[in-house]
Amino acid sequence: GQGVEQPAKLMSVEGTFARVNCTYSTSGFNGLSWYQQREGQAPVFLSYVVLDGLKDSGHFSTFLSRSNGYSYLLLTELQIKDSASYLCAVRTPGTQVVGQLTFGRGTRLQVYA
Amino acid sequence: DMKVTQMPRYLIKRMGENVLLECGQDMSHETMYWYRQDPGLGLQLIYISYDVDSNSEGDIPKGYRVSRKKREHFSLILDSAKTNQTSVYFCASSLYGTGVGNTLYFGEGSRLIVV
Repeated sequence: GQGVEQPAKLMSVEGTFARVNCTYSTSGFNGLSWYQQREGQAPVFLSYVVLDGLKDSGHFSTFLSRSNGYSYLLLTELQIKDSASYLCAVRTPGTQVVGQLTFGRGTRLQVYA
Repeated sequence: DMKVTQMPRYLIKRMGENVLLECGQDMSHETMYWYRQDPGLGLQLIYISYDVDSNSEGDIPKGYRVSRKKREHFSLILDSAKTNQTSVYFCASSLYGTGVGNTLYFGEGSRLIVV
């Protein structure tokens, strides 16, 4: 079956870093996306990866290992405003729903001063 | 300005009443979506629309129907709302389908309470 798993919570200190993990087990793989969702707000796109390795985008970096069904979102130089939920979504080559996205439950990151 | 707009933002309905949630986008995106999000659960796809009058069921379509008569508008209808449909509903759009690298733009959500 389709499964995207993320830890529910993560805490880190301002100025340091946080790594948000995502593991997936899906029928096929056409890429993985990360979204940020602040409390009471809409999810906002952060990053998309489809090839193995680390994609450095400054404050946010994304790693993917397709053979292990694993990705992480790395936030560096954390700020209090980075406190939010981070959603992992895997795109599969769907049949009924073309290219369907399967979302994880999200990881709530709390950054402390 | 790229924007997905949802109306209403907050709604309280009695069980058995009909509910209409409306969504508009100003980006001429072909594909639009309705998701629901519940505490501790991920976003669950209710329906996807590939263009006008071209709609497909998602993972949890039971109890819902949709309407897309114009590319920029996508409506979610609950005929005879149930208490387990209390949730936050998100509309989203993307330029093409959910193709490689395609980004979803989400609305701010519609919080529905069914009592």
